[in-house]
Amino acid sequence: EVQLVESGGGLVQPGGSLRLSCVGSGFTFSVYEMNWVRQAPGKGLEWISYISMSGSTKYYADSVKGRVTISRDNAKNALSLQMNGLRAEDTAVYYCAGGVGYGYMAVWGNGTTVTVSS
Amino acid sequence: AIRMTQSPSSVSASTGDRVTITCRASQDFNTYLAWYQQKPGKAPKLLIYATSSLQRGVPSRFSGSGSGTDFTLTISSLQSEDSATYYCQQSYSFPWTFGQGTKVEIK
Repeated sequence: EVQLVESGGGLVQPGGSLRLSCVGSGFTFSVYEMNWVRQAPGKGLEWISYISMSGSTKYYADSVKGRVTISRDNAKNALSLQMNGLRAEDTAVYYCAGGVGYGYMAVWGNGTTVTVSS
Repeated sequence: AIRMTQSPSSVSASTGDRVTITCRASQDFNTYLAWYQQKPGKAPKLLIYATSSLQRGVPSRFSGSGSGTDFTLTISSLQSEDSATYYCQQSYSFPWTFGQGTKVEIK
């Protein structure tokens, strides 16, 4: 079964840090371009970060640029998102999602919830 | 950033009806357009990629079309299980962007 499983979400104070993880199984993780997409409560989807198959190319949304870092370990089928300087507006469900080209995301995790609040 | 604007924001239709959702981009591009379906509390599901290619396992009543700045998702015969929110997404240029979503309800 093709699967992505996120972890690492939780409650954090403003200005705090969190590291989200995502592990893939049932498919060849190393040939998938991977992304993080978030969804604030009651809102739509927001793409926040992309990483190429090799990990050499990364992109970030302006809303998180300079505060988050995406990385991957293909040997472990793992994707990570290091988040620093968290703000209330970062409160959301964070999904990892991947695809094999053209930017579409065919495989999604079930999401992990990040709540930024004092 | 390319802005994606969906219309309508919501639609209510009966089973068997034809439903069309439009996504307009703020700049011209081709091919790099996908559609997703999201049900409450669930992750999005890819329906259409590359504007008109049906993702494996997705019912053939879903179809996509368009070019330039105007793209369309059509449900040819609405079923009860199609009640969900639908999003378009462009991957022509970073930052990738989604439309604001269209909620489809069954009358």
